[in-house]
Amino acid sequence: EVQLVESGGGLVKPGGSLRLSCAASGLTFSKAWMSWVRQAPEKGLEWVGRIKSKTDGETTEYVAPVKGRFTISRDDSKNTLYLQMNSLKTEDTAVYYCATASAGRFFWGQGSLVSVSS
Amino acid sequence: DIQMTQSPSSVSASVGDRVTITCRASQGISGWLAWYQQKPGKAPKLLIYTVSSLESGVPSRFSGSGSGTDFTLTISSLQPEDSATYYCQQANSFPYTFGQGTKLEI
Repeated sequence: EVQLVESGGGLVKPGGSLRLSCAASGLTFSKAWMSWVRQAPEKGLEWVGRIKSKTDGETTEYVAPVKGRFTISRDDSKNTLYLQMNSLKTEDTAVYYCATASAGRFFWGQGSLVSVSS
Repeated sequence: DIQMTQSPSSVSASVGDRVTITCRASQGISGWLAWYQQKPGKAPKLLIYTVSSLESGVPSRFSGSGSGTDFTLTISSLQPEDSATYYCQQANSFPYTFGQGTKLEI
C-alpha cells in the first residue's frame, strides 16, 4: 500500500522560507514521478509542481504562481520528496499535499499546513 | 493550461436520490480523468480514475463515464455519508488541473 507522509509545515512570515518533506513507502520511489498539490483555506485544489524520476531526467515543472520561488527535489536513497519554498507570500497559505500516480491512479498524503502571516 | 469546468457548483439531494456531476475539459484529455471526494479537514479521496475505473474500496454506487472533453460522475443512490465536495481532475498534461468543485448536501 502506497503511503505518503508530509512534514515540515508551520507558521512563517512573508518573505520567509520553509521546506516540506514527504516520506514515501509502498512504492518503488526511484521510479515514481512525484508532485506537490496545495489547497488554500476554503478554496479549490492547485497542482504546484512535479519532479520526474532520475531515469526520466529528474526534470521539474511548476505552475506560474510559484515559479522561481519554489523548488522540488528528491532523495531516492531516503525515499523522500522535498518542497523548498522561498520568498513566501500570504497567498501561499495552504495545506500542501504530496502525490504520485500509477497508470492514472493517484495517491495522496494527509497534507501539511503552511501559514504565511506577519 | 487545460481548464476544467465542473457543474453544478452545489447540489442538494435526498437519501436514495441519483445525482450526476459533470466536468468539461477545454481540450481533449485522452481519458486521463479522475474524480475525488473531499470532506472538511481531510485530504481528497480518489473515487474514480481513468474516467471509469473504480478505486478499490469505493462503493459501487459511484460510477464515471465520458470521453473526449465531457465527463460525468454519477452517484446512483445517495447515502448520508456522501455529503462532501467532489472534484474532477485531468492528468493528460501538466499542470494537472481540477474543476472548481461541487458541494453535495444531503
